Amino acid sequence: GAVVSQHPSRVICKSGTSVKIECRSLDFQATTMFWYRQFPKKSLMLMATSNEGSKATYEQGVEKDKFLINHASLTLSTLTVTSAHPEDSSFYICSAGGGMKVNEQFFGPGTRLTVL
Amino acid sequence: AQKITQTQPGMFVQEKEAVTLDCTYDTSDQSYGLFWYKQPSSGEMIFLIYQGSYDEQNATEGRYSLNFQKARKSANLVISASQLGDSAMYFCAMRESYSSASKIIFGSGTRLSIRP
Repeated sequence: GAVVSQHPSRVICKSGTSVKIECRSLDFQATTMFWYRQFPKKSLMLMATSNEGSKATYEQGVEKDKFLINHASLTLSTLTVTSAHPEDSSFYICSAGGGMKVNEQFFGPGTRLTVL
Repeated sequence: AQKITQTQPGMFVQEKEAVTLDCTYDTSDQSYGLFWYKQPSSGEMIFLIYQGSYDEQNATEGRYSLNFQKARKSANLVISASQLGDSAMYFCAMRESYSSASKIIFGSGTRLSIRP
């Protein structure tokens, strides 16, 4: 199957700083990427859908100015958590779509963000 | 309205026994896809099996099979001959489209624990 990478895998930052998470589709061109967050022992909640070259579509309740998403190329999408606070601490997972196979959806390994 | 429902928060099963994880869904679309993912403690999302709404045969992948009952809108995962390594969170998910560029939403998950 296709490979999706995320960087960094783990990040600890101070409250008020911004953190950028990268999601790369390594072996296919992902026209669409999805960003999820997952709190401990909870399910994945879709935050936004990003399409290459256009603005992201955010789910209801997700702050656009807080979670900046950029999908500059067919292989890279970034999520920037701006002015992070402890309540933003979570597991962030990206997923790449738009490939030829409809029966698969590839996920990155996730990024664990801890805001002190 | 909740689209994917998993009613079993946790299950304990004896090793080598078969186990069924329940999933019901709600959609008005005719074309949709159903997924099951496994999430071990490492956090990675491991794709297990996929069922398209027009697929007449139940999907099977090794020890995994999907019991698809379209009229009842259920998509239960059956794991045969369970192994200790099957202990993990299991998520049922749905994509309301056949396009891999469409978003996937997740159920609340079932934590499966295999007893030796």
